[in-house]
Amino acid sequence: AQTVTQSQPEMSVQEAETVTLSCTYDTSENNYYLFWYKQPPSRQMILVIRQEAYKQQNATENRFSVNFQKAAKSFSLKISDSQLGDTAMYFCAFMRSSNYQLIWGAGTKLIIKP
Amino acid sequence: NAGVMQNPRHLVRRRGQEARLRCSPMKGHSHVYWYRQLPEEGLKFMVYLQKENIIDESGMPKERFSAEFPKEGPSILRIQQVVRGDSAAYFCASSPERGGTDTQYFGPGTRLTVL
Repeated sequence: AQTVTQSQPEMSVQEAETVTLSCTYDTSENNYYLFWYKQPPSRQMILVIRQEAYKQQNATENRFSVNFQKAAKSFSLKISDSQLGDTAMYFCAFMRSSNYQLIWGAGTKLIIKP
Repeated sequence: NAGVMQNPRHLVRRRGQEARLRCSPMKGHSHVYWYRQLPEEGLKFMVYLQKENIIDESGMPKERFSAEFPKEGPSILRIQQVVRGDSAAYFCASSPERGGTDTQYFGPGTRLTVL
C-alpha cells in the first residue's frame, strides 16, 4: 500500500525567507503523480503544484518549486520569498496513474512571521 | 468559471439525526470524489462517482453512509443516524476525466459537528 510521510508537523520562518517542506512516499509503482496542496485558515484546499513521476524536470509555479528525487522517493516543496499569505497547512499527496485516489500525508503547519 | 461548490459550509446535527452534504462540481467536470478529514489529519478517500454511477465506494463506511450523483443536480453525501465520530470536514473534489491525468479540484468543504 502507498503511504505518504511528512516529518515536519510545524515550521516557522520570517517573511521573505525561503522554506522547504519535506515529503517522502512509499510505492512500488513506476508511474504516478505527486501534489502539494495548501489549506489556509479558511480551510479551503488549494492546489499548489503537481509533478508527474515520468518527468525528470522539477515542477515550478512562481515562488513554489519542488525537488523531486524519484529514486529516494522524496518530493520536497520549496517556497521562495515567503509571504504572510503563505501561512497554511501544506499537504503532500500521491496518486497512482492507474487510480484516482489521492493518498495524503498528515500535513505540515507553516507559519510565516512578519 | 465557478469552482467546486459545497453546501452547507457548516452543519450541526445531534446524534441520531441525518446529515446531507451537497457538492456541485466545476462546469464541465463529470467525476466527483468525496474525502473526509479528521482533525489534525490528512484527507481520506471515501467514494468516487460519475453521473448516475458509483465507481468506487471502498473508502466509505458500509453502514449509515451513502452517496449519489444524479443525472441532474449536485452530488449528495448522506450520513444517517450520525454519531460523534462522524464530526469531521468533508471535502468534495471534481475532475473532467478520471483522476491521474487530471488534477482534482476541491471545494471549500463542509464541517460537520455532531453534538
